[in-house]
Amino acid sequence: QITLKESGPTLVKPTQTLTLTCTFSGFSLSTSGVGVGWIRQPPGKALEWLALIYWNDDKRYSPSLKNRLTITKDTSKNQVVLTMTNLDPVDTATYYCAHRPRGWYYFDCWGQGTLVTVSS
Amino acid sequence: QSALTQPASVSGSPGQSITISCTGTSSDVGAYNFVSWYLQHPGKAPKLMIFDVSYRPSGVSNRFSGSKSGNTASLTISGLQAEDEADYYCCSYTTSSTWVFGGGTKLTVL
Repeated sequence: QITLKESGPTLVKPTQTLTLTCTFSGFSLSTSGVGVGWIRQPPGKALEWLALIYWNDDKRYSPSLKNRLTITKDTSKNQVVLTMTNLDPVDTATYYCAHRPRGWYYFDCWGQGTLVTVSS
Repeated sequence: QSALTQPASVSGSPGQSITISCTGTSSDVGAYNFVSWYLQHPGKAPKLMIFDVSYRPSGVSNRFSGSKSGNTASLTISGLQAEDEADYYCCSYTTSSTWVFGGGTKLTVL
């Protein structure tokens, strides 16, 4: 059974850097083809894909946010970390991590999400 | 990349069928058969309902079906039930090797 859980600060000040951790179980990020992605959702708004990291450390970023995002993995800890710089109140959202199964182009398992509020 | 276009809301009575459209471009929806659909109840994480345009994951009711024509994908729900009331999002893989979601559609079961 695959599970994912996001963790990180709930409140961040504008211009600060956000670091979120996705801790997962039930699969390994060293398995060929597997990936873990990050998706966010501002309150009352739509889902927005942010980034994804593959088993081979290949990384993909949203074109509109790529200058502010960094995604990394620690295979030994079963964790994926997303860093977002220069936060703004518009970055207030629930941040989800999700599993991308080997060889497929969808997200089959999602974490519960973590709400991050950007405010001074 | 711009978000895929979905109607903001659709509604239907129990037992009826509804269709939600998802319009993209030749760089996303029209490029591959990698369109997926997600259901999201308030305060909950999204749930995969359809992948690769028309395939259902194990455990998803066969009342849910998907299709695609050109740059537009569609999700059809037949035999509407009260529990189907939720937000629905389409998602597509793109030619830039990224993903893009739709703006979401709120389904109301009357």
